[in-house]
This record gives sequence, structure tokens and C-alpha cells, in this order.
Amino acid sequence: DARVTQTPRHKVTEMGQEVTMRCQPILGHNTVFWYRQTMMQGLELLAYFRNRAPLDDSGMPKDRFSAEMPDATLATLKIQPSEPRDSAVYFCASGLRDGLPTNEKLFFGSGTQLSVL
Amino acid sequence: TQLLEQSPQFLSIQEGENLTVYCNSSSVFSSLQWYRQEPGEGPVLLVTVVTGGEVKKLKRLTFQFGDARKDSSLHITAAQPGDTGLYLCAGSTYSGAGSYQLTFGKGTKLSVIP
Repeated sequence: DARVTQTPRHKVTEMGQEVTMRCQPILGHNTVFWYRQTMMQGLELLAYFRNRAPLDDSGMPKDRFSAEMPDATLATLKIQPSEPRDSAVYFCASGLRDGLPTNEKLFFGSGTQLSVL
Repeated sequence: TQLLEQSPQFLSIQEGENLTVYCNSSSVFSSLQWYRQEPGEGPVLLVTVVTGGEVKKLKRLTFQFGDARKDSSLHITAAQPGDTGLYLCAGSTYSGAGSYQLTFGKGTKLSVIP
């Protein structure tokens, strides 16, 4: 089965350190999303790409977060410097957009559980 | 920002019982999706509803999109322990020029007790 692969699965770091999370979308999918999930806020959209171009990153704190797609097989989300309030599960999802968004199905990875001490 | 309210927040029932969970908003959505998420995993798409009033069935799960496309419900018949999980609804709004917004509710956490 094709699946979205995220690494690492777990990350514990100290405040102020840089954190990089990686995502390998499903081959052939042309949209990639980054979400953050917490108990309080639920799933929040951080950024998304279509055909590797960033379309929306309005949900992301610009001063410390950055998202890139260096190639079609890799998406990265970086936090620098990390803060305790960044502790959450970060999900990557890929989708195949065929015309209207109603035709899109999102496939989520298993997430990166980030703890910033 | 479109808000999706899901209710109840938590639900614990006995195996074999029926249940309904709700997803409500004051906004109109182009489509609405339902996902199930198990601990330690990402959400998995169950269904997409597009047309107001649409009903879709997936085995023991019945999904309905409200006539005004602002709300949805998920009904489970004869719940099984395997139905346990976090059920998330997500509304899609398309604002044109390639801009697309998928907003998630906070979910209903369902526990089915054997």
C-alpha cells in the first residue's frame, strides 16, 4: 500500500534547538499539507503546497517556522528556535487534486510527536 | 475562519448500541469529509459528501450532509469495539484561483466497550 512516510516518529528536544521534520508524500500526489494537532486546538493547518509551490502558509508562525518542498519526494517543516508551546503532533498529508477540491482525498502520515522541554 | 463544532466531545457506549455524532457550522461548505483517527496514527478518510441532503453509507456507518451544506451527521449502527477512535469532520471551502481551505472540527472521541 502506498503511504505517506514521516520521520522522525518522536522527537524530544530542548527549548531553543532546531527541529526538522520530514515527509515523503505518496508518489504522484500533487498536494502536500502540514497540520499540527493538539488537545486544545485540534488539527490546525500550517501550510500547504501544490505541485511543490507553496500556496498557503498563513497558519504558520513565520518568525520560527518554515516549510519547503525541495523535490517532489520530500517536504520539510522546520522550527528554529523551538519553544515548549510547539509541543504537538505534526502531520503531513498528501492528496491528488483532480479539478475541484471535492475530488481530493487526503492521506495522512503517522505524525511526528514533538516534545520541547 | 469557518468553525466546525462537533458533538458530543466524548461518547462511551456498549457494543451493539447505535449512536449519532454531529458536525455543525454557521458556514456553507463545498463538501464535507469524515475521518477516523486511531491513537498514534493519522486520520483516515472515511467519506466525502458534496450535495446538500446527500446520504452515503459505508457498511454500518451512515453519513448525511445537511440540506444547507452547513452540517453533517454520522450514524453508527450496532457499534463494534473496532469503531473506537476519534471521528473528525472537515469542511472544504474553495475560494478560487487555486486557493483551498479544509477546516477540521476537534472531533468526537468514541469508545465502544465490549
